[in-house]
Amino acid sequence: DAMVIQNPRYQVTQFGKPVTLSCSQTLNHNVMYWYQQKSSQAPKLLFHYYDKDFNNEADTPDNFQSRRPNTSFCFLDIRSPGLGDAAMYLCATSRGGGRANTEAFFGQGTRLTVV
Amino acid sequence: DQQVKQNSPSLSVQEGRISILNCDYTNSMFDYFLWYKKYPAEGPTFLISISSIKDKNEDGRFTVFLNKSAKHLSLHIVPSQPGDSAVYFCAASSVGQNFVFGPGTRLSVLP
Repeated sequence: DAMVIQNPRYQVTQFGKPVTLSCSQTLNHNVMYWYQQKSSQAPKLLFHYYDKDFNNEADTPDNFQSRRPNTSFCFLDIRSPGLGDAAMYLCATSRGGGRANTEAFFGQGTRLTVV
Repeated sequence: DQQVKQNSPSLSVQEGRISILNCDYTNSMFDYFLWYKKYPAEGPTFLISISSIKDKNEDGRFTVFLNKSAKHLSLHIVPSQPGDSAVYFCAASSVGQNFVFGPGTRLSVLP
């Protein structure tokens, strides 16, 4: 059974049109992450939540926002997608957020296309 | 500045032989290392990990070796199987530091 679920798997959006990607988890993990991955590159951390505590990476553009209404759900909002935002977006969860030796569990990702 | 490096973008190995994937890191504060496997159009799947207090961890066909002095780790897969063909990501973390990933190595296991 999938433990980290991302919807949709594929998303096409128009240039400049706001888009929301969703992630849910059944693991009851404290930490939820959003990564952006472009072809042949390392997944790049955008931000993460430790419980309700939001942590933005310094180089994450303001165009990217996130919401975590409860433990199970986390959303990635892209306010005005540009062509350069086309990528695979990966949601992950972990128990300790790097504060304890634990692995991260990933969803299947959402492939975002901007047209 | 890449803190986690995987210098081989790709690797081809014959079925039944050993696959060795390498990873180097620069941050000496990292104390936990992980390997993930990723198939096309899917998210990464956790494979195996190692704490910095160990130099080897084994799980079935997969063994991870850690050389702290060289800031180097490797993943050995033996025997390699065609189903092992995927992209393998090395990742590192430490207390208070989130997971940092390398760019991945694409492994092709040839029948």
